[in-house]
Amino acid sequence: GQSLEQPSEVTAVEGAIVQINCTYQTSGFYGLSWYQQHDGGAPTFLSYNALDGLEETGRFSSFLSRSDSYGYLLLQELQMKDSASYFCAVSNDYKLSFGAGTTVTVRA
Amino acid sequence: DAGVIQSPRHEVTEMGQEVTLRCKPISGHDYLFWYRQTMMRGLELLIYFNNNVPIDDSGMPEDRFSAKMPNASFSTLKIQPSEPRDSAVYFCASSSGTGAEQYFGPGTRLTVT
Repeated sequence: GQSLEQPSEVTAVEGAIVQINCTYQTSGFYGLSWYQQHDGGAPTFLSYNALDGLEETGRFSSFLSRSDSYGYLLLQELQMKDSASYFCAVSNDYKLSFGAGTTVTVRA
Repeated sequence: DAGVIQSPRHEVTEMGQEVTLRCKPISGHDYLFWYRQTMMRGLELLIYFNNNVPIDDSGMPEDRFSAKMPNASFSTLKIQPSEPRDSAVYFCASSSGTGAEQYFGPGTRLTVT
């Protein structure tokens, strides 16, 4: 099976940088994904790492270390609209197993 | 493209009634996924299809749950009979095959009283 751990909550001010860590244990691993979900909305895809290293997409970056079974999502230049839940998910073939999510609250 | 379409958006029903949730995936996507999200259990995969064929239904909680995909543009998730513990948001998602990026529909919020 799969198990993922990520912090439950993070609070930061506008303009700050937030790092959300994710550690996982899984049998069969293709890659690590990150999804954002606003309250009452649907999860939306942010990034995917299949190989070790850093992937940058605008203000968001994601990192993976396969040897450490660890990844993180970096949110830079935080904006109020970034207040949401962020989920890491491991992919095994075409299946995604999601972590419990990290609620990010951005304060003015 | 309109994205993944789900109906109804909200469903309130009484215990014991049959509930049918519907999903239209993004055209051209080969994979369709049904998820359930609750506060207690988070986001869990129930079943997924590839080219209309069920591939993995290990997440389906009980025999009361069934899913079908009669063609590439339509899928249903049925609960019969429904129970209060089935109350959750049910999401349908589709992808084009890499498995990494899934596109989620807006969800159906089910309340069973």
